Amino acid sequence: SYELTQPLSVSVALGQTARITCGGNNIGSRSVHWYQQKPGQAPVLLICRDSNRPSGIPERFSGSNSGNTATLTISRAQGGDEADYYCQVWDSSTVVIFGGGTKLTVL
Amino acid sequence: QITLKESGPTQVKPTETLTLTCTFSGFSLSTFGLGVVWIRQPPGKALEWLALLYWNDDKRYSPSLKSRVTLTKDTSKNQVVLTMTDMDPVDTATYYCAHRIAVGGTHYFEYWGQGILVTVSS
Repeated sequence: SYELTQPLSVSVALGQTARITCGGNNIGSRSVHWYQQKPGQAPVLLICRDSNRPSGIPERFSGSNSGNTATLTISRAQGGDEADYYCQVWDSSTVVIFGGGTKLTVL
Repeated sequence: QITLKESGPTQVKPTETLTLTCTFSGFSLSTFGLGVVWIRQPPGKALEWLALLYWNDDKRYSPSLKSRVTLTKDTSKNQVVLTMTDMDPVDTATYYCAHRIAVGGTHYFEYWGQGILVTVSS
């Protein structure tokens, strides 16, 4: 079955750029979606279809996807960006697959 | 405006059956292409997809839980019901329902319920 691999944690200095990766076999051939989840809250769709931001999501959040890695980029990181981030793909057999999640710490 | 809300027991005993209801508004499950999904998250752990119900009553279940999970819908009440049998303490989790969007051959979830924490304990 298809699997998505994310780093357990990523740290970024305040105001700098954070990159969170999501690895999968030829993931570039799939559409990747990203969710942000803050403690005690439901996930929020951050990026859909690799690089599209839903209404209301700041431009500081962007996504890319190529080869075996999809990347969520957070520019000018803020304290409010501290959260868990999950990637997700659609699979014809397994249907919905989530990555294991990455905890972002802003230093 | 699309909203979803989960309801049901917050505590069940081992071996019991869990029944959760997702009540939604802002869309109809009789509309072509739409769907509702159930996702859970054990405390401190990752999101796990459970099941998906399509507008045409087609259903998909997580392979690891397929034997224990059933989805039904009541279109007139705008509800989707998740039933999970033989509950175990490892099933302790926050259970979410979400609205599924299908675009360009992929699917994702823009609207989520607030979640309901279900604890399995004797």
